[in-house]
Amino acid sequence: NAGVTQTPKFQVLKTGQSMTLQCAQDMNHEYMSWYRQDPGMGLRLIHYSVGAGITDQGEVPNGYNVSRSTTEDFPLRLLSAAPSQTSVYFCASSYVPGELFFGEGSRLTVL
Amino acid sequence: SQQGEEDPQALSIQEGENATMNCSYKTSINNLQWYRQNSGRGLVHLILIRSNEREKHSGRLRVTLDTSKKSSSLLITASRAADTASYFCATARTTSGTYKYIFGTGTRLKVLA
Repeated sequence: NAGVTQTPKFQVLKTGQSMTLQCAQDMNHEYMSWYRQDPGMGLRLIHYSVGAGITDQGEVPNGYNVSRSTTEDFPLRLLSAAPSQTSVYFCASSYVPGELFFGEGSRLTVL
Repeated sequence: SQQGEEDPQALSIQEGENATMNCSYKTSINNLQWYRQNSGRGLVHLILIRSNEREKHSGRLRVTLDTSKKSSSLLITASRAADTASYFCATARTTSGTYKYIFGTGTRLKVLA
């Protein structure tokens, strides 16, 4: 049972480049979410989804897109990376409103 | 703005002592959860307390919830060096018919052997 799997673990981008952070879960959770973690800021919610085809914005959605075509996958897209998006990104899933299961994180640096 | 604010931001204690962390939040909630994060790793769920509960125990963990004050506390008894980590509270609340989980800023706990 893999739980929540995030790829890649590390990524370096140049300003203006695009990329997709992948997140997959094998627990049949309807709820999936993306957070970013910056020093001293805790975790801030970017986008979340309550099921396939349903997504909504969190606290800091600007600069990020998401889609949910299947229950298992919830990719996070950066269309034009900026240095302010340098952060550690976590994907999490759950049966709402229960406990969240987290991936190990994706560390992104934008130069 | 973030839902939860925790204090203290950092806490350093000796092994065997108790550690208490506090969390305050702003709106009504369905439940409140505590998570632990070891350096550079993902968060791990510790305990969940529902809005109609006042206290909950799990091993060396004790959580209280005061919905009238919109606050919660996490007590770790007889701390160990292995408890060194960051601890976060998260509130689960409904908004527009769906749930959001909003995290606090965290408390960094250091337990000295």
